[in-house]
Amino acid sequence: RKEVEQDPGPFNVPEGATVAFNCTYSNSASQSFFWYRQDCRKEPKLLMSVYSSGNEDGRFTAQLNRASQYISLLIRDSKLSDSATYLCAVNEGYQKVTFGTGTKLQVIP
Amino acid sequence: DTGVSQDPRHKITKRGQNVTFRCDPISEHNRLYWYRQTLGQGPEFLTYFQNEAQLEKSRLLSDRFSAERPKGSFSTLEIQRTEQGDSAMYLCASSFAGGDEQFFGPGTRLTVL
Repeated sequence: RKEVEQDPGPFNVPEGATVAFNCTYSNSASQSFFWYRQDCRKEPKLLMSVYSSGNEDGRFTAQLNRASQYISLLIRDSKLSDSATYLCAVNEGYQKVTFGTGTKLQVIP
Repeated sequence: DTGVSQDPRHKITKRGQNVTFRCDPISEHNRLYWYRQTLGQGPEFLTYFQNEAQLEKSRLLSDRFSAERPKGSFSTLEIQRTEQGDSAMYLCASSFAGGDEQFFGPGTRLTVL
C-alpha cells in the first residue's frame, strides 16, 4: 500500500459545481497534513494546512479523519481558475513529508 | 521577491556529467528541503537540513547525490555522473523551525541526454 494515495482523476466539473477530493495515508502516527495546489510545470503552492478536525478558507474546506486515516478537500462554487493538480502531503514525523501523486481538476465553462 | 529562489531554472546536460543546483530559502527559515518530481508524480523527499545540519536523507538517494548547506543559509545539491533517470524537476522548500508548512521554490528542471 502506498503511504499517501490520491485518485489521479481527472475530475471534470462545470463552473459553480462543488467537488471533493480524498487522500488516504497509511502511517497512523502522521502528525500534520496539507493540501497544495500545483499548476502545470510550476511549483506546488500551499493551499491549506489541516491540523485537527479541519479548517475552512473561503470556498475551500479541508477535513481530517484520523480514525479512517484520510483527509479531504472540498471546493465550493468552482472557478475556471481552480483548474490545477491538488496534492495532499503528510508529515510522518521528523520533517519527512510524503506527497500523494495529485488529483487533477479541470473546471469547464 | 522574498520567496524561495533556485538556480538555474533549467539545466540540460549529457549523461556522465556532474551538475550542481543552488537554493536560497526564505531568509528567516532555518529548515530547508530538497525534493525531486517527475511527470505525473508528487514531489519525492530527498533530504532535509536544519540550519547547516543534514538531519534526514532518503534511502532512495544514491551515493551520486550530495547536498550541503555550509552556513545554514543557501544550499547546493550536486549530482555526479548523471544518468537519464535523473531527469526531473528538483524542488527546494523551506520552513520555520517551529512550523510544518513548507514553501517551495520554482524548481530546477534537469534534462539528461
